[in-house]
Amino acid sequence: KQEVTQIPAALSVPEGENLVLNCSFTDSAIYNLQWFRQDPGKGLTSLLLIQSSQREQTSGRLNASLDKSSGRSTLYIAASQPGDSATYLCAVPGSTGNQFYFGTGTSLTVIP
Amino acid sequence: ETGVTQSPTHLIKTRGQQVTLRCSSQSGHNTVSWYQQALGQGPQFIFQYYREEENGRGNFPPRFSGLQFPNYSSELNVNALELDDSALYLCASSLFMTGEGTQYFGPGTRLLVL
Repeated sequence: KQEVTQIPAALSVPEGENLVLNCSFTDSAIYNLQWFRQDPGKGLTSLLLIQSSQREQTSGRLNASLDKSSGRSTLYIAASQPGDSATYLCAVPGSTGNQFYFGTGTSLTVIP
Repeated sequence: ETGVTQSPTHLIKTRGQQVTLRCSSQSGHNTVSWYQQALGQGPQFIFQYYREEENGRGNFPPRFSGLQFPNYSSELNVNALELDDSALYLCASSLFMTGEGTQYFGPGTRLLVL
């Protein structure tokens, strides 16, 4: 069974700082890895999807990397803003591809 | 293009009751998955439907059941509610069954069981 771990569980940074969120998974045979953002009590918003053949994916101030062999992904947020405050979750599909395994998320607070 | 919608947004039930949650998938998406998210946890997979057939189930008892309709909308039914069923229930739709595509999530239904 795939297990997904996210470190740190919580992070507080001053506005403008660059930061890195970490995600690790136990089974490297994945189709892709997806990063989501979740605001309190809300649904999940997809940020980036990295296919297994890719090493990086970028969207605006966000950059996600994937190292399948080591079972790791990072989400880099440049020039953080208070509006970035949310919980960030990573997810990978299981071996059958029909279910996604999520980490418990990193709760990010950006202080103005 | 409309996104994933869920209804109702909030629901309060008592132990032993039954509940039905609804999800309309994003236009053109044929795969719908349901997840349960307890407070402070990541979402846990309940089951997935592809073209009206159940295609995989997580570690949830049979009192969690579902349906997918010809228009690809879906229902999640939970019988004999327990206090631990209190959670945010999320629906996600995608184009591909095999996990190759992006999953798009709805806003969720917050269920409270008293």
